[in-house]
Amino acid sequence: EAGVAQSPRYKIIEKRQSVAFWCNPISGHATLYWYQQILGQGPKLLIQFQNNGVVDDSQLPKDRFSAERLKGVDSTLKIQPAKLEDSAVYLCASSLVTQETQYFGPGTRLLVL
Amino acid sequence: GDSVTQMEGPVTLSEEAFLTINCTYTATGYPSLFWYVQYPGEGLQLLLKATKADDKGSNKGFEATYRKETTSFHLEKGSVQVSDSAVYFCALSRIGNQFYFGTGTSLTVIP
Repeated sequence: EAGVAQSPRYKIIEKRQSVAFWCNPISGHATLYWYQQILGQGPKLLIQFQNNGVVDDSQLPKDRFSAERLKGVDSTLKIQPAKLEDSAVYLCASSLVTQETQYFGPGTRLLVL
Repeated sequence: GDSVTQMEGPVTLSEEAFLTINCTYTATGYPSLFWYVQYPGEGLQLLLKATKADDKGSNKGFEATYRKETTSFHLEKGSVQVSDSAVYFCALSRIGNQFYFGTGTSLTVIP
C-alpha cells in the first residue's frame, strides 16, 4: 500500500513570509497528525485530526499556525508569518485509529532565513 | 505527565557489536510502548512495539521487552550492521492521550 505522502520535501523562506505543507495519509486512516521536529529533538505533536475534526491542538501556536483537513483525507498545515525558530522538519503521520501505530511521511524540511 | 527518557547519544559501535539503547517512561495506567527508527533524510518508521507488561516486541533482529516493574523498554540487538546506523526514538501512548517521543539516540556503526 502507498505510504504517507508529503510535499514539498524542502522549503526555504524568509522570516515573515508564509508557507504551506500538504499531507496525504494512508488510505482509510482516520487519524492524522502533524509534528514539528527541531534538529536534535524528538517529534512534538502540533495537531491531531480524527476524520475532519480536531482532537488535540493544545501545542499548536495558533497565532501563526493553522491546519485543516476539510474532507477527512488530505491535510494542509500553514505558517503565517514564519519566524526563525520555525526552522524544523514537519512530519505528517496517520493511523487507523487514535493512539495506534502511526505511519510517518518523509517530512518537509523548512528553513527560515 | 507522561514522558519518555532515552539514553543520550551519540552511540558509535563496530559492526557485529552488541547494542543496548535505554528507555524509561513515566505514565499512569498501561501505555503502549514503541521504538521508531529514522534513517538519514527520511521520516520515522515503526521498528517494534509492545502493548502490555512482559510483552516482547521484535523486528529485524531488534528486541525490546515491556518491563512495568522498572518502567523500561530498552532496545537491544545482538549484532549490529552498518545499515543500522540511524536515530532511534522510544515513544509511548495511552488511550485518550497523545504520543510522547523521547529525544532520540543517534547510532553509528563502523565497519
